[in-house]
Amino acid sequence: AQKVTQAQTEISVVEKEDVTLDCVYETRDTTYYLFWYKQPPSGELVFLIRRNSFDEQNEISGRYSWNFQKSTSSFNFTITASQVVDSAVYFCALRSNSGGYQKVTFGTGTKLQVIP
Amino acid sequence: DTEVTQTPKHLVMGMTNKKSLKCEQHMGHRAMYWYKQKAKKPPELMFVYSYEKLSINESVPSRFSPECPNSSLLNLHLHALQPEDSALYLCASSQELAGGPHEQYFGPGTRLTVT
Repeated sequence: AQKVTQAQTEISVVEKEDVTLDCVYETRDTTYYLFWYKQPPSGELVFLIRRNSFDEQNEISGRYSWNFQKSTSSFNFTITASQVVDSAVYFCALRSNSGGYQKVTFGTGTKLQVIP
Repeated sequence: DTEVTQTPKHLVMGMTNKKSLKCEQHMGHRAMYWYKQKAKKPPELMFVYSYEKLSINESVPSRFSPECPNSSLLNLHLHALQPEDSALYLCASSQELAGGPHEQYFGPGTRLTVT
């Protein structure tokens, strides 16, 4: 069975603070893919990053960075110098071979509120 | 163009009505998805089409009927819905290429209210 846990239901930060969103996953597969999506109040999920299980390199994209650690089954997401536009619900997701790759296991989401 | 469009944006229907949700993408993606999302919950997969053939039906009640007329279009036909079917319905598409599953591109959704 596959599972994605986002233990933080809601986080509030003041603008310009850094914030880390946690994601812990479970899968028996050795090949799997992890994703982060952002869902602003408008409703549309926006793709942020894709990472496969063989690539443990951390990634930085502007103010966003991701830390993938297979040893702890975690794929955490950090926003540096947060802005009000970062306010959204963020979902971590997992796709693996046992799910036929077409199924996506989403975490329950973390609602981030950035206060001006 | 990385856009997935959905119409209508909002829909209110009675339990005896028949309506359809439409989704369109022009990215050449060969996998298309319908999701249902309730408030404060993650999206729940309903259907997957791969190369215009239904490949996954997540035990969705027959009052929801998907259709994929061509590689760019995806419809969801609704009939005799229940109030508990009120939700945000999201369409998504992705590439179907070697090298593992690719990211999904989502439309803005149709907010459905069943009265």
